[in-house]
Amino acid sequence: EPEVTQTPSHQVTQMGQEVILRCVPISNHLYFYWYRQILGQKVEFLVSFYNNEISEKSEIFDDQFSVERPDGSNFTLKIRSTKLEDSAMYFCASGLSSYNSPLHFGNGTRLTVT
Amino acid sequence: AQSVTQLGSHVSVSEGALVLLRCNYSSSVPPYLFWYVQYPNQGLQLLLKYTTGATLVKGINGFEAEFKKSETSFHLTKPSAHMSDAAEYFCAVTAGTPLVFGKGTRLSVIA
Repeated sequence: EPEVTQTPSHQVTQMGQEVILRCVPISNHLYFYWYRQILGQKVEFLVSFYNNEISEKSEIFDDQFSVERPDGSNFTLKIRSTKLEDSAMYFCASGLSSYNSPLHFGNGTRLTVT
Repeated sequence: AQSVTQLGSHVSVSEGALVLLRCNYSSSVPPYLFWYVQYPNQGLQLLLKYTTGATLVKGINGFEAEFKKSETSFHLTKPSAHMSDAAEYFCAVTAGTPLVFGKGTRLSVIA
C-alpha cells in the first residue's frame, strides 16, 4: 500500500537556524498538509496545499513558515528561524480529494530546537 | 468551526475486555468523522471513518464506531481488547475544513 514518507525522522537544530522538513506524499493525491504535535498536546493543523498554492493556514503558520512543492513529488515545510517552541513532531499528510477524504499521514519528523 | 472532545486522556482495560473510547464533536454542518490510531514512534493510521449513510461503521482491527447525531457522539468500541491495541487514539472531525483532532486517548491493555 502506498504511503507518505518523511525525512528526516529526527532533526536537532539550534535556535535561529533554518530547517527544512521533507515529505513525499502518495503519488495520486492532490491535497497536502502539515500538522504538528507538541509533546503531550493535540495534533494541530498548520497548512493545506492544493494546486501549487496554500489553500488554508492556521494562526500557527506565521511568516516564519513556508511550504513548497518544488518538483512535483516532494512537499517541504521550511521554518526560517526556529524558536524553542517550534520543538514538536511534524506530520505530513496527503489526501485524494478535498478535506472530507481520509488523510494518510507520514511517520513524522521530530524537531528539537536547542 | 468544528471541535472534538475526547473524554478520558487515559483508558486502561484488561485483555479480552470491552474497549470504549468516547468522542463528542461540535459542528454546525453535517460532519465527517474519523478515528486514527498512533502507535509509538509512528504516524497516524486511519481506523475508520463516517461520511454519510450507515451510522455504524466498521474499521480495521475489529474496531467500530457509531455516529449518533442526537448525542453528537462518535464513540469507538471493540468487543475484546488485545495487547496490540495499546496505542494513542484520536477522534477527528471535518466539514469541508481542515481536519480537527481531539486531544487523544491513550489506551493501555493489561494482561
